Amino acid sequence: IAGITQAPTSQILAAGRRMTLRCTQDMRHNAMYWYRQDLGLGLRLIHYSNTAGTTGKGEVPDGYSVSRANTDDFPLTLASAVPSQTSVYFCASSRQGWDEQFFGPGTRLTVL
Amino acid sequence: SQQGEEDPQALSIQEGENATMNCSYKTSINNLQWYRQNSGRGLVHLILIRSNEREKHSGRLRVTLDTSKKSSSLLITASRAADTASYFCATEGQGAQKLVFGQGTRLTINP
Repeated sequence: IAGITQAPTSQILAAGRRMTLRCTQDMRHNAMYWYRQDLGLGLRLIHYSNTAGTTGKGEVPDGYSVSRANTDDFPLTLASAVPSQTSVYFCASSRQGWDEQFFGPGTRLTVL
Repeated sequence: SQQGEEDPQALSIQEGENATMNCSYKTSINNLQWYRQNSGRGLVHLILIRSNEREKHSGRLRVTLDTSKKSSSLLITASRAADTASYFCATEGQGAQKLVFGQGTRLTINP
């Protein structure tokens, strides 16, 4: 692995289903983030983690949960997907705080 | 709510010309960053400028920051077709503990 990876690349999901988006980085960065990107609304922060074992809520956290059991992984879970969660999801990491962020390639999620 | 707002929303120029994009923000910041996003890809960091800096350069990129006007500009000189992308500014507000992105400027370089 080189940098930050996300899986799956894309997914079509029925409303009401549970879904976990995976994110892994190998840069030993302390901080990790989840964003969603929607046309006309730019990039919005869902949840973040400044260090392993801690998480925080971003601008649009409702309907999403995260965990940070170790430095490398930061999964995002949709407990019961709704159509408004159709979006492109980006995971990012940074060495510390709110410095330069490195982004994954994104997951395109469609909820029907 | 958006902290940074880019202007213009879209810009189309000829290859070789310079491209200037602007970003305005509302509250005091610790730093401002510019990112590029090619279609269908993740964002790539370009430059970070701190609140006590006024100008930074990186290759063909020049970023200025005017904290009195709460604005920043990104200049790309001698543009190339490969510069076609969306460009975003992102601000770290003082005490905000988060990076807030603008909606981006879509830049098209015509050959």
